[in-house]
Amino acid sequence: EPEVTQTPSHQVTQMGQEVILRCVPISNHLYFYWYRQILGQKVEFLVSFYNNEISEKSEIFDDQFSVERPDGSNFTLKIRSTKLEDSAMYFCASRGQMNTGELFFGEGSRLTVL
Amino acid sequence: GENVEQHPSTLSVQEGDSAVIKCTYSDSASNYFPWYKQELGKRPQLIIDIRSNVGEKKDQRIAVTLNKTAKHFSLHITETQPEDSAVYFCAARGLQGSARQLTFGSGTQLTVLP
Repeated sequence: EPEVTQTPSHQVTQMGQEVILRCVPISNHLYFYWYRQILGQKVEFLVSFYNNEISEKSEIFDDQFSVERPDGSNFTLKIRSTKLEDSAMYFCASRGQMNTGELFFGEGSRLTVL
Repeated sequence: GENVEQHPSTLSVQEGDSAVIKCTYSDSASNYFPWYKQELGKRPQLIIDIRSNVGEKKDQRIAVTLNKTAKHFSLHITETQPEDSAVYFCAARGLQGSARQLTFGSGTQLTVLP
């Protein structure tokens, strides 16, 4: 069964450092997402990406965040200058169809900012 | 934007009993309502979903009901087993943006006591 893959599974970084989280969505999917889950809390939407551009972004997704799909297979989330409160599990997800279509999540990347 | 409320936050039941989790949503245009199960440290996994043109859907021991007028939907798990213990999230998909992201509820920690 195809699945969304994410790397790294866990990253520890110092406050102020840049972090790049990588995702490989399911190959024929068209819609890509990043969600965040702070420990013990709900899954929060960060950003959606379709047709090579950001479709929607939440208030969390401020100027320190950016996304890219550099080569047609990878989908990356960059955090330019990490803060303590960025510590969370970051889930990438993808979906194939507009009006239907299950959202498939990756295993997540746990980010710890010290 | 869409707002999804979920209750209860924790639920303990005896093995074999039923469990019910309820969610309300705010955007009357939302048309897709999935339920995800998340085990500790794992990704959310879709267990059942319902679309706005259907009032009820069942898959073995789990069922979901939708009341569009009242804007609420519920997950029902019958004959609960210890392996049903997990966090359950409801979600709603509206018509925001071309990628139409999911908005999640705050989650319910279900514990099935043997």
